[in-house]
Amino acid sequence: EVQLVESGGGLVKPGGSLRLSCAASGFTFSSYSMNWVRQAPGKGLEWVSSISSSSSYIYYADSVKGRFTISRDNAKNSLYLQMNSLRAEDTAVYYCASGEIGYDYWGQGTLVTVSS
Amino acid sequence: EIVMTQSPATLSVSPGERATLSCRASQSVSSNLAWYQQKPGQAPRLLIYGASTRATGIPARFSGSGSGTEFTLTISSLQSEDFAVYYCQQYNNWPPHTFGQGTKVEIK
Repeated sequence: EVQLVESGGGLVKPGGSLRLSCAASGFTFSSYSMNWVRQAPGKGLEWVSSISSSSSYIYYADSVKGRFTISRDNAKNSLYLQMNSLRAEDTAVYYCASGEIGYDYWGQGTLVTVSS
Repeated sequence: EIVMTQSPATLSVSPGERATLSCRASQSVSSNLAWYQQKPGQAPRLLIYGASTRATGIPARFSGSGSGTEFTLTISSLQSEDFAVYYCQQYNNWPPHTFGQGTKVEIK
């Protein structure tokens, strides 16, 4: 069974940092592109970042470029999102999702709240 | 950046009726379009990719069509479990993999 489990969310003050993790199991993690998607409370889905299977290609939404860093460790079947200089508008549930021709598997999400 | 526009924002449908949801791209995305279903408190679920291919385990009452800039998701006979928010997403030109704003399918 495919599982993606996010962790690392929480309450952080504006300007602070947080590192999200996504543990993958049940599929060949090293063969898949991975993505982060977020959803602000009561809002729609927003693509945040993607990384190719070998980390050769990395992309960011303009809204997070220069502040967030995506990475992966294929030996540990894990995906990460380092979030720096957090703003109130970064408050959202953050999902990791696999794939690039449609995101076929999603984690349950982890809530990040940026507030003083 | 490609902008995805979904319509209507809310669709009121009776159980057993057909629902037709639209998604328009600001420029051609070929057939590189996916549809997702999201229920409250849950992660999105992939329904359709390649504009018309059902994902694994998706019932046949869900169908997708279109190419270029105009796409449609049809639910042939709505079941109680189908009331949810539906999103389209293009993955032709990236970054970004843009999502539409969503269509809420509610019980009439």
